[in-house]
Amino acid sequence: DAKTTQPPSMDCAEGRAANLPCNHSTISGNEYVYWYRQIHSQGPQYIIHGLKNNETNEMASLIITEDRKSSTLILPHATLRDTAVYYCIVRVKWRSSNTGKLIFGQGTTLQVKP
Amino acid sequence: EAQVTQNPRYLITVTGKKLTVTCSQNMNHEYMSWYRQDPGLGLRQIYYSMNVEVTDKGDVPEGYKVSRKEKRNFPLILESPSPNQTSLYFCASSFSGPSYNEQFFGPGTRLTVL
Repeated sequence: DAKTTQPPSMDCAEGRAANLPCNHSTISGNEYVYWYRQIHSQGPQYIIHGLKNNETNEMASLIITEDRKSSTLILPHATLRDTAVYYCIVRVKWRSSNTGKLIFGQGTTLQVKP
Repeated sequence: EAQVTQNPRYLITVTGKKLTVTCSQNMNHEYMSWYRQDPGLGLRQIYYSMNVEVTDKGDVPEGYKVSRKEKRNFPLILESPSPNQTSLYFCASSFSGPSYNEQFFGPGTRLTVL
């Protein structure tokens, strides 16, 4: 799995968009970008994933640069409940063994402030 | 509701007293996995299972056992717990192979071994 680099921490004002960056300069053509978050010692929660096109779901948007070397997770209207550690993970979608293994880095601690 | 459940959620025990942490999922997932989370070390995979009766070691399997007799259940067994197994444990599940999209995590089990 390609290595990812994220800032250790970020602040965001409640109601504003939170933009969380991730660098993955060694990403391969068949590797996807996944985002998970962990709210205070709860189980990690899947947010979104993408390959090359921008993606949007009810939780967030994922913007992947054209060269695929970096991406940004956007929470359009951050709330206090979005305070969490956000993990960017790059991996192939399908492996013949240990399909689901996720390698969590240190992530970005997002603090949403009133 | 689609979910992964773990029991117990909290456990304090003493060195050497065998214990089992249960994990169950209701999504008909083939793949199940156990992680432990420790401060500064992130989440590390203990064991995983690709399907019924198919299990394999993750990155930190020492001191743990697992079994997969039914598709929905994947218990984690500590035959002789030691203080260095004090940790936060997460069970996770997903579809495997090309159907893989996201991984679902349980709420966690906080284990203290005295």
